Amino acid sequence: DQQVKQNSPSLSVQEGRISILNCDYTNSMFDYFLWYKKYPAEGPTFLISISSIKDKNEDGRFTVFLNKSAKHLSLHIVPSQPGDSAVYFCAASDSGAGSYQLTFGKGTKLSVIP
Amino acid sequence: GAGVSQSPRYKVTKRGQDVALRCDPISGHVSLYWYRQALGQGPEFLTYFNYEAQQDKSGLPNDRFSAERPEGSISTLTIQRTEQRDSAMYRCASSLTGGTSSVADTQYFGPGTRLTVL
Repeated sequence: DQQVKQNSPSLSVQEGRISILNCDYTNSMFDYFLWYKKYPAEGPTFLISISSIKDKNEDGRFTVFLNKSAKHLSLHIVPSQPGDSAVYFCAASDSGAGSYQLTFGKGTKLSVIP
Repeated sequence: GAGVSQSPRYKVTKRGQDVALRCDPISGHVSLYWYRQALGQGPEFLTYFNYEAQQDKSGLPNDRFSAERPEGSISTLTIQRTEQRDSAMYRCASSLTGGTSSVADTQYFGPGTRLTVL
């Protein structure tokens, strides 16, 4: 069963507008969440992360919001740029489990239209 | 600076053959991870090393899969008697420290090895 779910396989946004990518998780033990961006023929690149003790983390145009009660996080990109077009993966970890594996969603392909 | 490198980038093999996939982590990174990614899916955890010690191999699908990191740097993932279902992208990642709760633990991924078993 998928512990991290990204229910939108794809998203198209006009350049300059906001992109909102969503992620849901089922494992209540997850306490650290990350977003990775992936361009074709490259490995995933770390984008931004958030600990469960926070509900928001911002880095330039990228903001991640965490709603623990809803087991939901989202990535906001403002303003969206054509270079943001990529596949975005949500990932989660249980830092207390003693194993440092990341559990990934299936990804959302973002297309930013010029 | 150099990132995580993996070789070969592409590997085509016949069913029943053994393959060895290599990962060269970022210099100084203590922790190394192997993941497998099927088409249309996110990476799935296989195994984790802290220095040369294999701390977690719970994600290895069966005993045909093994991994080593003998000197705490380069790692090799070996698949014996390959089967068609082993076809996937195999990704390696490294992090400065072990853990998944801070930026220092961020896992940096290599470009992957695309394995095709005929």
